[in-house]
Amino acid sequence: DQQVKQNSPSLSVQEGRISILNCDYTNSMFDYFLWYKKYPAEGPTFLISISSIKDKNEDGRFTVFLNKSAKHLSLHIVPSQPGDSAVYFCAAMNQGAQKLVFGQGTRLTINP
Amino acid sequence: KAGVTQTPRYLIKTRGQQVTLSCSPISGHRSVSWYQQTPGQGLQFLFEYFSETQRNKGNFPGRFSGRQFSNSRSEMNVSTLELGDSALYLCASSLGLAPTTYEQYFGPGTRLTVT
Repeated sequence: DQQVKQNSPSLSVQEGRISILNCDYTNSMFDYFLWYKKYPAEGPTFLISISSIKDKNEDGRFTVFLNKSAKHLSLHIVPSQPGDSAVYFCAAMNQGAQKLVFGQGTRLTINP
Repeated sequence: KAGVTQTPRYLIKTRGQQVTLSCSPISGHRSVSWYQQTPGQGLQFLFEYFSETQRNKGNFPGRFSGRQFSNSRSEMNVSTLELGDSALYLCASSLGLAPTTYEQYFGPGTRLTVT
């Protein structure tokens, strides 16, 4: 049972435009959400997070939006840069359970 | 400060064998989590150790086990390897448990291939 789903395995965006990565979850007990970025041959690195008490969190070019009623979150990258090309994982947790559940990942390619 | 290190980086084993993977967390970090990454399933949580005790476990068979030593280093063992165990095994360390758990720092992973 995939509790966190990233339905787009890949996404291609032109440099300078907006990249939007989507993630859906099924467990209503999740109260903290994170995005990780992974380059080949490296472990994932933490990018940005959002608590369920918020609907938006911004950090530079990265903004995460949370729609609790739709059980959906998205990561916006504006403007997209070639160095953003990587696999992006969304993850969710119930802070009481102390366990991260990851999505399958979306491979983002930024074209010059 | 040195990052999370995992050894070995690459491993080839035969079906039925057993394997032990090692993870050294960032100095001062007491929590170590293990994940399995496969192309179709993404990252799946295996288990988490904190102060030498298993705090949490994912939905994996008993062939997958782990332990943590007093210096916070952790090992993961897989017995009776199956072809489906071929994956990237990632270790992540954090200072403590949730709510700080999200600040996980990942190692580069061990690529296990079972033939």
